[in-house]
Amino acid sequence: KNQVEQSPQSLIILEGKNCTLQCNYTVSPFSNLRWYKQDTGRGPVSLTIMTFSENTKSNGRYTATLDADTKQSSLHITASQLSDSASYICVVSQTNDYKLSFGAGTTVTVRA
Amino acid sequence: SAVISQKPSRDICQRGTSLTIQCQVDSQVTMMFWYRQQPGQSLTLIATANQGSEATYESGFVIDKFPISRPNLTFSTLTVSNMSPEDSSIYLCSVGGPERTEAFFGQGTRLTVV
Repeated sequence: KNQVEQSPQSLIILEGKNCTLQCNYTVSPFSNLRWYKQDTGRGPVSLTIMTFSENTKSNGRYTATLDADTKQSSLHITASQLSDSASYICVVSQTNDYKLSFGAGTTVTVRA
Repeated sequence: SAVISQKPSRDICQRGTSLTIQCQVDSQVTMMFWYRQQPGQSLTLIATANQGSEATYESGFVIDKFPISRPNLTFSTLTVSNMSPEDSSIYLCSVGGPERTEAFFGQGTRLTVV
């Protein structure tokens, strides 16, 4: 069973609108959580990385939140643009382990 | 940060043949990782490549099918051998990642086996 679950699997939004993606994880012991953006035909690119003590982090129009108690994270996209169309992947790492646990991603489509 | 050049970016191959994917990093790194990303699924770690030693393979992946080379600290190759249509996928190399360090990915190789 995957230790990182993302929802929704996909969503379509209109340009200029906001959206929120969810990530639930069971990885333990927790080290950090990252959100990546993967454009079609490209490798994942980091958006944010948060450790246990951080509950929010922003990168431009992207804002990630983390609740380490409930093991939940969200990625909020503000004022979406056509270039935001991509897959967004939640990745969690464990303490003292070089391996990463990946969610299946949420595919976001922004339409004009 | 690290810049990773991965090639080819895509290929269409006949079943039974092999394809070698190359990954070049702009800095020396101890560990390099090879992943497979099937449509709609998570990235799955194939193996970890360390310079000077044999790669460490994850459950479900074997050296005969996915031989890996790591001749120096900036370069690695992954070969997909005796390909079948089930091997059609995106293959990614990556560096970094453990604990608080960042993880960087190559652009990926989209492989289609016909």
